[in-house]
Amino acid sequence: GAVVSQHPSWVICKSGTSVKIECRSLDFQATTMFWYRQFPKQSLMLMATSNEGSKATYEQGVEKDKFLINHASLTLSTLTVTSAHPEDSSFYICSARRGGAAGELFFGEGSRLTVL
Amino acid sequence: SQKIEQNSEALNIQEGKTATLTCNYTNYSPAYLQWYRQDPGRGPVFLLLIRENEKEKRKERLKVTFDTTLKQSLFHITASQPADSATYLCALAENAGNMLTFGGGTRLMVKP
Repeated sequence: GAVVSQHPSWVICKSGTSVKIECRSLDFQATTMFWYRQFPKQSLMLMATSNEGSKATYEQGVEKDKFLINHASLTLSTLTVTSAHPEDSSFYICSARRGGAAGELFFGEGSRLTVL
Repeated sequence: SQKIEQNSEALNIQEGKTATLTCNYTNYSPAYLQWYRQDPGRGPVFLLLIRENEKEKRKERLKVTFDTTLKQSLFHITASQPADSATYLCALAENAGNMLTFGGGTRLMVKP
Protein backbone atom coordinates (compact mmCIF):
# COMPACT_ATOMS: atom_id res chain seq x y z
CA GLY A 1 0.00 0.00 0.00
CA ALA A 2 0.86 3.63 -0.25
CA VAL A 3 3.19 5.01 2.36
CA VAL A 4 3.13 8.35 4.08
CA SER A 5 6.14 9.14 6.18
CA GLN A 6 6.30 11.63 9.02
CA HIS A 7 9.42 12.95 10.65
CA PRO A 8 10.31 13.25 13.45
CA SER A 9 8.34 10.60 15.31
CA TRP A 10 9.18 12.14 18.66
CA VAL A 11 10.34 15.62 19.53
CA ILE A 12 10.91 17.33 22.84
CA CYS A 13 11.54 21.05 22.87
CA LYS A 14 11.74 23.98 25.21
CA SER A 15 8.91 26.44 25.49
CA GLY A 16 9.29 29.28 23.00
CA THR A 17 11.11 27.32 20.33
CA SER A 18 9.73 26.33 16.94
CA VAL A 19 9.37 22.77 15.71
CA LYS A 20 8.98 21.58 12.14
CA ILE A 21 7.26 18.31 11.26
CA GLU A 22 7.55 16.85 7.77
CA CYS A 23 4.99 14.73 5.96
CA ARG A 24 6.00 12.93 2.79
CA SER A 25 4.04 10.73 0.42
CA LEU A 26 6.64 8.21 -0.65
CA ASP A 27 5.08 6.50 -3.64
CA PHE A 28 2.34 8.79 -4.90
CA GLN A 29 1.73 12.45 -5.50
CA ALA A 30 -0.63 14.22 -3.17
CA THR A 31 -2.18 17.49 -4.23
CA THR A 32 -3.85 17.67 -0.87
CA MET A 33 -2.56 16.71 2.53
CA PHE A 34 -4.25 17.09 5.88
CA TRP A 35 -2.91 17.84 9.34
CA TYR A 36 -4.62 16.51 12.43
CA ARG A 37 -4.08 16.82 16.12
CA GLN A 38 -4.98 14.11 18.59
CA PHE A 39 -5.07 14.34 22.36
CA PRO A 40 -4.88 11.16 24.47
CA LYS A 41 -7.95 8.95 24.13
CA GLN A 42 -9.60 11.45 21.84
CA SER A 43 -10.27 11.44 18.15
CA LEU A 44 -8.42 13.19 15.39
CA MET A 45 -9.23 16.85 15.01
CA LEU A 46 -8.55 18.35 11.62
CA MET A 47 -6.33 21.38 11.89
CA ALA A 48 -5.84 22.35 8.29
CA THR A 49 -5.92 21.24 4.69
CA SER A 50 -2.62 21.69 2.90
CA ASN A 51 -2.81 22.40 -0.83
CA GLU A 52 0.23 22.13 -3.07
CA GLY A 53 1.25 25.50 -4.38
CA SER A 54 -1.30 27.51 -2.43
CA LYS A 55 -2.13 28.60 1.08
CA ALA A 56 -3.44 26.10 3.57
CA THR A 57 -7.04 26.18 4.67
CA TYR A 58 -7.32 26.26 8.44
CA GLU A 59 -10.19 24.98 10.53
CA GLN A 60 -12.00 27.31 12.87
CA GLY A 61 -10.06 27.97 16.04
CA VAL A 62 -6.67 26.99 14.61
CA GLU A 63 -4.18 29.85 14.60
CA LYS A 64 -2.55 30.03 11.20
CA ASP A 65 0.31 32.14 12.49
CA LYS A 66 1.10 29.57 15.12
CA PHE A 67 0.77 26.48 12.96
CA LEU A 68 2.53 27.31 9.72
CA ILE A 69 1.87 24.92 6.88
CA ASN A 70 3.85 24.75 3.68
CA HIS A 71 3.09 22.38 0.82
CA ALA A 72 6.10 22.96 -1.37
CA SER A 73 5.77 19.94 -3.61
CA LEU A 74 3.37 17.14 -4.49
CA THR A 75 5.11 14.85 -2.03
CA LEU A 76 5.96 17.10 0.91
CA SER A 77 4.00 19.17 3.40
CA THR A 78 5.46 20.67 6.56
CA LEU A 79 3.84 21.85 9.77
CA THR A 80 5.80 24.29 11.90
CA VAL A 81 4.64 24.89 15.45
CA THR A 82 5.97 28.36 16.22
CA SER A 83 6.82 29.57 19.70
CA ALA A 84 5.65 26.30 21.16
CA HIS A 85 4.08 26.18 24.61
CA PRO A 86 3.28 23.20 26.84
CA GLU A 87 -0.36 23.28 25.73
CA ASP A 88 0.84 22.55 22.19
CA SER A 89 2.07 19.16 23.36
CA SER A 90 0.10 16.61 21.38
CA PHE A 91 0.19 13.91 18.73
CA TYR A 92 0.24 15.45 15.26
CA ILE A 93 -0.74 13.28 12.31
CA CYS A 94 -0.71 14.03 8.62
CA SER A 95 -2.55 12.28 5.85
CA ALA A 96 -2.45 12.35 2.09
CA ARG A 97 -5.25 11.48 -0.30
CA ARG A 98 -4.54 9.22 -3.25
CA GLY A 99 -6.77 8.71 -6.23
CA GLY A 100 -9.00 11.74 -6.48
CA ALA A 101 -11.56 13.51 -4.36
CA ALA A 102 -13.00 10.39 -2.70
CA GLY A 103 -9.74 8.54 -2.68
CA GLU A 104 -8.27 6.61 0.16
CA LEU A 105 -6.50 8.56 2.87
CA PHE A 106 -3.11 7.35 3.95
CA PHE A 107 -1.87 8.47 7.32
CA GLY A 108 1.60 9.05 8.59
CA GLU A 109 2.77 7.41 11.77
CA GLY A 110 2.31 10.60 13.73
CA SER A 111 4.68 12.92 15.56
CA ARG A 112 4.60 13.17 19.33
CA LEU A 113 5.48 16.72 20.42
CA THR A 114 6.32 17.44 24.04
CA VAL A 115 6.97 21.04 25.00
CA LEU A 116 8.70 21.51 28.32
CA SER B 1 -25.29 20.29 16.06
CA GLN B 2 -23.39 17.69 14.05
CA LYS B 3 -22.17 14.63 15.89
CA ILE B 4 -20.44 11.36 15.12
CA GLU B 5 -20.77 9.02 18.04
CA GLN B 6 -18.92 5.83 18.75
CA ASN B 7 -19.09 3.92 22.00
CA SER B 8 -16.33 5.37 24.14
CA GLU B 9 -16.29 2.31 26.38
CA ALA B 10 -13.96 -0.48 25.40
CA LEU B 11 -15.49 -3.57 23.82
CA ASN B 12 -14.13 -6.78 25.30
CA ILE B 13 -14.80 -10.02 23.49
CA GLN B 14 -13.48 -13.55 23.40
CA GLU B 15 -11.28 -14.77 20.58
CA GLY B 16 -13.28 -16.37 17.80
CA LYS B 17 -16.41 -14.32 18.42
CA THR B 18 -17.74 -11.58 16.15
CA ALA B 19 -17.03 -8.02 17.24
CA THR B 20 -19.60 -5.39 16.29
CA LEU B 21 -18.82 -1.70 16.59
CA THR B 22 -21.32 1.09 16.06
CA CYS B 23 -21.03 4.51 14.50
CA ASN B 24 -24.02 6.86 14.73
CA TYR B 25 -24.19 10.30 13.20
CA THR B 26 -26.49 13.28 13.59
CA ASN B 27 -27.12 16.16 11.22
CA TYR B 28 -24.90 14.82 8.47
CA SER B 29 -25.73 13.61 4.99
CA PRO B 30 -22.59 11.63 4.24
CA ALA B 31 -21.60 10.74 0.73
CA TYR B 32 -19.42 8.00 2.14
CA LEU B 33 -18.17 6.61 5.39
CA GLN B 34 -14.83 5.05 6.18
CA TRP B 35 -13.48 2.84 8.94
CA TYR B 36 -9.92 3.02 10.23
CA ARG B 37 -7.84 1.08 12.70
CA GLN B 38 -5.47 2.90 15.04
CA ASP B 39 -2.91 1.27 17.29
CA PRO B 40 -1.48 3.20 20.28
CA GLY B 41 1.00 5.87 19.22
CA ARG B 42 0.44 5.16 15.53
CA GLY B 43 -1.45 6.83 12.72
CA PRO B 44 -4.79 5.41 11.56
CA VAL B 45 -4.85 2.76 8.87
CA PHE B 46 -7.65 2.67 6.31
CA LEU B 47 -9.83 -0.44 6.35
CA LEU B 48 -13.03 0.04 4.36
CA LEU B 49 -15.06 2.67 2.56
CA ILE B 50 -18.81 2.43 2.00
CA ARG B 51 -20.81 4.86 -0.11
CA GLU B 52 -24.28 6.24 0.63
CA ASN B 53 -25.89 4.01 -2.00
CA GLU B 54 -24.27 0.84 -0.66
CA LYS B 55 -25.82 -1.24 2.09
CA GLU B 56 -22.92 -3.54 2.85
CA LYS B 57 -19.23 -3.97 2.08
CA ARG B 58 -16.98 -6.90 2.90
CA LYS B 59 -13.25 -7.43 3.01
CA GLU B 60 -11.93 -10.72 4.31
CA ARG B 61 -13.13 -10.95 7.95
CA LEU B 62 -14.47 -7.41 7.94
CA LYS B 63 -18.00 -6.30 7.12
CA VAL B 64 -19.45 -2.80 7.15
CA THR B 65 -23.10 -1.86 6.84
CA PHE B 66 -24.50 1.58 6.19
CA ASP B 67 -28.08 2.52 7.02
CA THR B 68 -28.83 6.10 6.00
CA THR B 69 -32.32 5.87 7.50
CA LEU B 70 -31.01 4.93 10.92
CA LYS B 71 -27.96 7.16 10.34
CA GLN B 72 -25.76 4.34 11.45
CA SER B 73 -22.87 2.21 10.31
CA LEU B 74 -21.94 -1.11 11.86
CA PHE B 75 -18.46 -2.59 11.64
CA HIS B 76 -18.10 -6.33 12.16
CA ILE B 77 -14.98 -8.44 12.63
CA THR B 78 -15.74 -12.14 12.38
CA ALA B 79 -13.58 -14.84 13.97
CA SER B 80 -11.83 -12.15 15.99
CA GLN B 81 -8.22 -12.57 17.02
CA PRO B 82 -6.13 -10.91 19.76
CA ALA B 83 -4.26 -9.14 16.95
CA ASP B 84 -7.50 -7.32 16.11
CA SER B 85 -7.23 -5.45 19.42
CA ALA B 86 -7.00 -1.75 18.56
CA THR B 87 -9.08 1.40 18.40
CA TYR B 88 -11.44 1.60 15.46
CA LEU B 89 -12.46 4.96 14.09
CA CYS B 90 -15.30 5.80 11.76
CA ALA B 91 -15.10 8.88 9.59
CA LEU B 92 -17.47 10.44 7.13
CA ALA B 93 -17.50 13.04 4.39
CA GLU B 94 -20.58 14.82 3.08
CA ASN B 95 -19.21 15.23 -0.41
CA ALA B 96 -16.43 13.70 -2.40
CA GLY B 97 -13.41 15.82 -1.73
CA ASN B 98 -14.71 17.18 1.55
CA MET B 99 -12.68 16.68 4.64
CA LEU B 100 -13.23 13.59 6.71
CA THR B 101 -14.70 14.07 10.16
CA PHE B 102 -13.81 11.39 12.66
CA GLY B 103 -15.74 9.81 15.49
CA GLY B 104 -14.10 9.35 18.87
CA GLY B 105 -13.24 5.72 18.22
CA THR B 106 -14.01 2.52 20.09
CA ARG B 107 -11.30 0.41 21.65
CA LEU B 108 -11.64 -3.30 20.96
CA MET B 109 -9.95 -5.87 23.19
CA VAL B 110 -9.98 -9.47 22.00
CA LYS B 111 -9.01 -11.91 24.72
CA PRO B 112 -7.44 -15.29 23.95
